Amino acid sequence: DIQMTQSPSSVSASVGDRVTITCRASQAISTWLAWYQQKPGKAPELLIYDASSLQTGVPSRFSGSGSGTDFTLTISSLQPEDFATYYCQQSNSFTFGPGTKVDIK
Amino acid sequence: QVQLVESGGGVVQPGRSLRLSCVGTGFIFGTYALHWVRQAPGKGLEWVAVIAYDGDKKYYGDSAKGRFTISRDNSKNTLYLQMNSLRTADTAVYYCARGRNGYKYFDSWGQGTLVTVAS
Repeated sequence: DIQMTQSPSSVSASVGDRVTITCRASQAISTWLAWYQQKPGKAPELLIYDASSLQTGVPSRFSGSGSGTDFTLTISSLQPEDFATYYCQQSNSFTFGPGTKVDIK
Repeated sequence: QVQLVESGGGVVQPGRSLRLSCVGTGFIFGTYALHWVRQAPGKGLEWVAVIAYDGDKKYYGDSAKGRFTISRDNSKNTLYLQMNSLRTADTAVYYCARGRNGYKYFDSWGQGTLVTVAS
């Protein structure tokens, strides 16, 4: 089975900061990777699919990159509504990463 | 507007069964693969099962194999998850989610239904 790891597990940041989250797959997955945002008590929301494609309606401050085993989610200028937990997911066997919590510094 | 609404959660004893339902509206239900994803309290996301748009293909995560059955009734716009031999480790919020790009990703989610397995 493909295992997913994320780093960091949590990050404290301020509004306006640039935030980068890394996801690593245990074997190459091409660009078959998605990123989700989840706020407390809410369902996750799809942000990025195919590693770098922005889901309709998602602000352009979110971007994704990477291929093979290493991937990155970047928030270019953190907004108050972006404080949440972020998960990566590979589409081969649908495994999720453990999550990265972005909270207020 | 795409909407998925789960129901059927509750408190159940270990070893018993429960069936979850998910009604989809705002899209052509019978043309999308559908998934179940769960989240134990305070934990991360775990994929449970997926069913093809026509119900022909079904795949399960390791924790669901042999105990859970995913099915759908496209005439009723409804997805199901039959859960048998429930364990305390199955305690979680269960989400239904619509597949994007075939099975690959989850582009719309329900609000979730809580299943608590406890004696």
